[in-house]
Amino acid sequence: DTEVTQTPKHLVMGMTNKKSLKCEQHMGHRAMYWYKQKAKKPPELMFVYSYEKLSINESVPSRFSPECPNSSLLNLHLHALQPEDSALYLCASSQGPETTGEAFFGQGTRLTVV
Amino acid sequence: AQKITQTQPGMFVQEKEAVTLDCTYDTSDQSYGLFWYKQPSSGEMIFLIYQGSYDEQNATEGRYSLNFQKARKSANLVISASQLGDSAMYFCAMREGDTGGFKTIFGAGTRLFVKA
Repeated sequence: DTEVTQTPKHLVMGMTNKKSLKCEQHMGHRAMYWYKQKAKKPPELMFVYSYEKLSINESVPSRFSPECPNSSLLNLHLHALQPEDSALYLCASSQGPETTGEAFFGQGTRLTVV
Repeated sequence: AQKITQTQPGMFVQEKEAVTLDCTYDTSDQSYGLFWYKQPSSGEMIFLIYQGSYDEQNATEGRYSLNFQKARKSANLVISASQLGDSAMYFCAMREGDTGGFKTIFGAGTRLFVKA
């Protein structure tokens, strides 16, 4: 099973709302990632969790707050977003942060901020 | 400097023909991994093929093969017998194992159009 599941698939939120994106994998992977992808652009790394600890934060604004409750789950909490934050948010996981092996991605959450 | 370069913004191929998507990379690490991902309009990023920097043989996965030329730092994707369902965006990506923090970084992508 090489599945990474993201919910919801689509989300529309106002600039004053608080919402969360969820990601789950059951492959025993110890590294999990959040990426942001704007239309017609490659994904951009936001956060990396390694063994459930935040190891990389790519200077992401604090209105994005990641959380890794356990080795299978990764959340992205959203608060006071701006319209320019509208994008496809992709979660990924890989076997371990110390390997150069492939990452598996979820289907993404299409976020629209109004 | 760009780490991953994909010089073909768009490519057309006739159904059932082979197509090569170009990718060059730049790293000083000895240990790294190279990947190709397919992204249909639905948005999901589908892993296609992996090549490790120490692998001497070119990777193959079904109709996909990776033409790895280490000295030239190129990792081209070859799709044989193209199908209409191959129409999508294709990203070349790399993870650097020594200094890169094991982050996956992506090229700009190539949009492939398969014609019937």
